[in-house]
Amino acid sequence: EDQVTQSPEALRLQEGESSSLNCSYTVSGLRGLFWYRQDPGKGPEFLFTLYSAGEEKEKERLKATLTKKESFLHITAPKPEDSATYLCAVQFSGGSNYKLTFGKGTLLTVNP
Amino acid sequence: NAGVTQTPKFRVLKTGQSMTLLCAQDMNHEYMYWYRQDPGMGLRLIHYSVGEGTTAKGEVPDGYNVSRLKKQNFLLGLESAAPSQTSVYFCASSQWDLVAKNIQYFGAGTRLSVL
Repeated sequence: EDQVTQSPEALRLQEGESSSLNCSYTVSGLRGLFWYRQDPGKGPEFLFTLYSAGEEKEKERLKATLTKKESFLHITAPKPEDSATYLCAVQFSGGSNYKLTFGKGTLLTVNP
Repeated sequence: NAGVTQTPKFRVLKTGQSMTLLCAQDMNHEYMYWYRQDPGMGLRLIHYSVGEGTTAKGEVPDGYNVSRLKKQNFLLGLESAAPSQTSVYFCASSQWDLVAKNIQYFGAGTRLSVL
C-alpha cells in the first residue's frame, strides 16, 4: 500500500535555529510531491510541488528537496511566524491523476 | 479573489440529524474534493468529483453523500449524523494541466460537532 510518513511529529526550535522536516514515501511510482502549511483553525496553504529526484524549490526561509524515496523541507533561520503544521502529500503515478495521499504532518513551533 | 469558500464555518448537530456542507470555488477548476481531518489521522479523502455531474468515493465515504450539480459547487451531505463524524471538514479544488499539475487549493474548513 502506498504510504506517506512525516517525521518528526513535532519540532520545537529557537528563533534562528535551522532544521529539516522529513517526508518519506513508499510507492511504486511518484507523479508529484506537495508541501503545504497549515495554521491553527485554517485550511492547508500550498507551498511547493516537486516532480523529479534532485529537484529543489525555495521560498523565503524554506527550501524543499526531493530524492527517490523522500523529501526534506529545510527551514533556515526560522522566525516565530514560521510556526505551523507542515503537511506533505504525494500523488502516485499508479493511481488517478487527482488523488493525493497526505502524511500526518509535523507541528513546528519556533520560540522567540 | 475568494478561491474556495466553505459554509458554514461551525456547526453542532445532534445524533441522527442531517445537514449539508457547501463548497464553492471561483477558479473554474474541474476537480473538487472533500476531506476530513482528525487528530493523529491526517487528511483523509471522503469523496471527490472530476467534473460537473460526476462523483466518486474516496478513502472514507461511509455515512456521506455528495453532489456536483454545478461546476463551481460541491455539496457534502450527512443524512444521519453520528458522533464519529465529529471532525473538521475541508473542501479543495484543482485543475489538471501541464503547468499546474494537480495543486489542490483548500477552503478554511467547517468544524462539525455531533453530540
